[in-house]
Amino acid sequence: DVKVTQSSRYLVKRTGEKVFLECVQDMDHENMFWYRQDPGLGLRLIYFSYDVKMKEKGDIPEGYSVSREKKERFSLILESASTNQTSMYLCASSGVLLGAGKGAGELFFGEGSRLTVL
Amino acid sequence: DAKTTQPPSMDCAEGRAANLPCNHSTISGNEYVYWYRQIHSQGPQYIIHGLKNNETNEMASLIITEDRKSSTLILPHATLRDTAVYYCIVRFYNTDKLIFGTGTRLQVFP
Repeated sequence: DVKVTQSSRYLVKRTGEKVFLECVQDMDHENMFWYRQDPGLGLRLIYFSYDVKMKEKGDIPEGYSVSREKKERFSLILESASTNQTSMYLCASSGVLLGAGKGAGELFFGEGSRLTVL
Repeated sequence: DAKTTQPPSMDCAEGRAANLPCNHSTISGNEYVYWYRQIHSQGPQYIIHGLKNNETNEMASLIITEDRKSSTLILPHATLRDTAVYYCIVRFYNTDKLIFGTGTRLQVFP
């Protein structure tokens, strides 16, 4: 079974703390993504990475950074957590695009990490 | 990236077909249509995708209009377990970036 594992399902942090959200995938996928999900706003892309040590900004990168030192691991970092970063964070991975074949470019998601910043 | 428009919510009786519409009037020739769903407290799950032709798999069928400006996801015999938020996404063929909207909340009732 393919698996994307996020380190914590629930976290509570204080304003100003540094927060690490870890994501590991076991499918040897090149691409990894971090989204946040908020009521009424759907999923919004924060950062993604298409290779080790490579990263691209998504639509809402402000206040976040990422690290991809190994292919299987993609970390989301909140340098100084703020209350408006209280959210559900979802990690995903996908393989290299293969065109229109079945499963090509399919995203596999983790269970999510619900972060509360007080 | 092309944008999509979906109704915020729909209801469907168990055992009946659920037809979920999606408008993507600005889609370009190289953009695929993807559908994902998210069951409460879980990460989104891939359902199906297509470019021009209609597609079918074990979960659903995808009907894309000839002008490609809209599509419909069909769950042929909806069950209570199909209650979820369904996301329609368009994606350029050579990008790994998927932009999700707010989706359609499908409620299947007994």
